Amino acid sequence: EDQVTQSPEALRLQEGESSSLNCSYTVSGLRGLFWYRQDPGKGPEFLFTLYSAGEEKEKERLKATLTKKESFLHITAPKPEDSATYLCAVQAWTDKLIFGTGTRLQVFP
Amino acid sequence: ETGVTQTPRHLVMGMTNKKSLKCEQHLGHNAMYWYKQSAKKPLELMFVYSLEERVENNSVPSRFSPECPNSSHLFLHLHTLQPEDSALYLCASSHERSNQPQHFGDGTRLSIL
Repeated sequence: EDQVTQSPEALRLQEGESSSLNCSYTVSGLRGLFWYRQDPGKGPEFLFTLYSAGEEKEKERLKATLTKKESFLHITAPKPEDSATYLCAVQAWTDKLIFGTGTRLQVFP
Repeated sequence: ETGVTQTPRHLVMGMTNKKSLKCEQHLGHNAMYWYKQSAKKPLELMFVYSLEERVENNSVPSRFSPECPNSSHLFLHLHTLQPEDSALYLCASSHERSNQPQHFGDGTRLSIL
């Protein structure tokens, strides 16, 4: 069965304290892995797409990496404005997008 | 306007009411989606439309009825809802159903009394 698991469920960081979020997946044929950011009261905002193991994408303080079993979202020197819930989703060959439950990140000044 | 717009942002309705949620996308996409987001649960795909044709219905109760009159507009008609239907309903669009990212609206927060 296709499945996506995100950890940790919640993460509290001091401003400037780098860390990583994990997204583990089992899927019958990966077409793409997507990272989204969701702020309270808003819809998910697209961040990155990764298509194959070894691929990396960067945007400001965020860097996403992909292996055959998991993806990491690395946050370098986070700021309070990086506080949000980060969602991971995988697309299988069935085209269906399967979401994890997210990691709620809080960054304190 | 740009992106995906959903109206209303908030909706409170009784169990016997009939209401509709509206979604409009300005991205030139030809696939549109309805999702349900409940606390502590992953996003649940409800319906998929590709080129205005419904291609997926994930065992959603008949009290939810989607409509896609053209590739830019998507509706979700609601009637005789239950309290457990209270949730955030999100609309998304993408370029076909390929491995391109889906872009989401800000959702309608629905509360059933």
